[in-house]
Amino acid sequence: GNSVTQMEGPVTLSEEAFLTINCTYTATGYPSLFWYVQYPGEGLQLLLKATKADDKGSNKGFEATYRKETTSFHLEKGSVQVSDSAVYFCALSAHSNYQLIWGAGTKLIIKP
Amino acid sequence: GAGVSQSPSNKVTEKGKDVELRCDPISGHTALYWYRQSLGQGLEFLIYFQGNSAPDKSGLPSDRFSAERTGGSVSTLTIQRTQQEDSAVYLCASSPGGDSNQPQHFGDGTRLSIL
Repeated sequence: GNSVTQMEGPVTLSEEAFLTINCTYTATGYPSLFWYVQYPGEGLQLLLKATKADDKGSNKGFEATYRKETTSFHLEKGSVQVSDSAVYFCALSAHSNYQLIWGAGTKLIIKP
Repeated sequence: GAGVSQSPSNKVTEKGKDVELRCDPISGHTALYWYRQSLGQGLEFLIYFQGNSAPDKSGLPSDRFSAERTGGSVSTLTIQRTQQEDSAVYLCASSPGGDSNQPQHFGDGTRLSIL
């Protein structure tokens, strides 16, 4: 079946550090891929998405590229801020149905 | 407001009681989803509506769980004879249509605690 695996947290970085959160997936066909973010005390928000191979999603300085050959959708940011502290979820949506399949989430802690 | 609205935001109830959770999607969104977020289980899909019909109920964990949607808008998730393992945050999301390319927009959730 379809599944998403993302790196376990928490990930702790200093401000202005480079961030990578790994995400790999298993799916039949060509799913759509998403990163959602959950800030402390808030609901889930879409961060970025990519719907086909080699697409790059980007938002708020974050980027992720849909890599079909490695079945990956790693999240990157060149210089993180304290305000980026949150839990990040990688998810996929297969074209055969519409539910989101979620990774376990990665808690990111940015220290000033 | 313009977002997905859920009520109540918090619900505490005794084991064995029934609860109803409400979701008001973004106006015009035909697709509506319920998920559950719990410690140790992460985010789990429960049910998907397209309009008033539910083509995918595969995630409902038991027959104590049911959901309906009326008028293509508001949805209610009902849990009968609640158990402690039902404690979780129940999330509702909506999207413009049943297309897997479209992102889902989430409400803030209902935090359900079963004593």
